[in-house]
Amino acid sequence: DAGVTQSPTHLIKTRGQQVTLRCSPKSGHDTVSWYQQALGQGPQFIFQYYEEEERQRGNFPDRFSGHQFPNYSSELNVNALLLGDSALYLCASNFAGQQFFGPGTRLTVL
Amino acid sequence: DQQVKQNSPSLSVQEGRISILNCDYTNSMFDYFLWYKKYPAEGPTFLISISSIKDKNEDGRFTVFLNKSAKHLSLHIVPSQPGDSAVYFCAASAFDNQGGKLIFGQGTELSVKP
Repeated sequence: DAGVTQSPTHLIKTRGQQVTLRCSPKSGHDTVSWYQQALGQGPQFIFQYYEEEERQRGNFPDRFSGHQFPNYSSELNVNALLLGDSALYLCASNFAGQQFFGPGTRLTVL
Repeated sequence: DQQVKQNSPSLSVQEGRISILNCDYTNSMFDYFLWYKKYPAEGPTFLISISSIKDKNEDGRFTVFLNKSAKHLSLHIVPSQPGDSAVYFCAASAFDNQGGKLIFGQGTELSVKP
């Protein structure tokens, strides 16, 4: 049984560009959460998707948006990238109250 | 506004001894607490959790203690092993929202020396 998978592993973008990160949850998991982990910090909650709807949102600007597909996979989109968006982006799928994290996508904004 | 704090960025312990990792929180609405372990190039892995109705939860070598009046929790690892070397995050959630938004601390890097 594959765990949570994320793509790409690493990504380099320049300021002002747009990026899309992808996440496939564990089999049977229908809820996906996204977190941003800056260097030396703990993960920060961006938002959560359930049944293709955004169910909860953290304190992130509208430049951060997401989508969930009928197969429960999810995308995180960030527009107008800033240097401060450089971070590890983690996806987690939920089951029975527990969150299972993927390995993350390392985004570098130059 | 850091609602969950881990004030020790790093901790070094000898193999076989006890490791104690600490975490403080400020939000009284938190009612579920978790510890995650993270190795480089991997996502955080769930370790152990505790509900606010308990003050202790044990799972093998890992025990979490919760002191609600002090808004403090700690993770004890006994005995510590070199494979325990990783970054440990405590996390909290509110309103029994165990599957929802988690608030993480900054992490403590544990190094267990042989």
